[in-house]
Amino acid sequence: DAGVIQSPRHEVTEMGQEVTLRCKPISGHNSLFWYRQTMMRGLELLIYFNNNVPIDDSGMPEDRFSAKMPNASFSTLKIQPSEPRDSAVYFCASSLVGPLHFGNGTRLTVT
Amino acid sequence: DQQVKQNSPSLSVQEGRISILNCDYTNSMFDYFLWYKKYPAEGPTFLISISSIKDKNEDGRFTVFLNKSAKHLSLHIVPSQPGDSAVYFCAASERGGSNYKLTFGKGTLLTVNP
Repeated sequence: DAGVIQSPRHEVTEMGQEVTLRCKPISGHNSLFWYRQTMMRGLELLIYFNNNVPIDDSGMPEDRFSAKMPNASFSTLKIQPSEPRDSAVYFCASSLVGPLHFGNGTRLTVT
Repeated sequence: DQQVKQNSPSLSVQEGRISILNCDYTNSMFDYFLWYKKYPAEGPTFLISISSIKDKNEDGRFTVFLNKSAKHLSLHIVPSQPGDSAVYFCAASERGGSNYKLTFGKGTLLTVNP
């Protein structure tokens, strides 16, 4: 099993640009999570999907953030427009029953 | 308002000795607790969990202790090995783990010196 796959691993962009982060969950998992890790706030849940449906997006910081899960094997997190304060490591995780399985994250730097 | 707190940002231990990582929580509704380990440039990986109906759970070198009255849990690693050097996150959820929402602490960096 390849685990949760995230791309890109690193993204450097300028303020105002659109950023799209991608995630492929583990096959057969029906829950998908996007987390953000910063020094100040630690690991925060942004959004949770179950069976491809967004269940809880209360952690999404503002309207500049959006997430989609068009099918069971793919999800995107989009930031438009990006701002320097969005710089963080973004993790995708999936699960079926039991603990979350995390991807290796995307390190986003917005200059 | 931090509901899960790991008050020690770092801990250094000699190889072969015991490592004790601590975690405190404030939400009395939390009843399921997990520890994750994270190496640099990788995602967190699940290590061990405990339900509030227990006060101890053991898996090899790793033991988690839960003190509900003190709202405190700890992870013991015995004996510590250099490969255990990583950031350790404590996490908690409600409803016996069936609740998807995990609240994480900010982590403790463990360094095990050879």
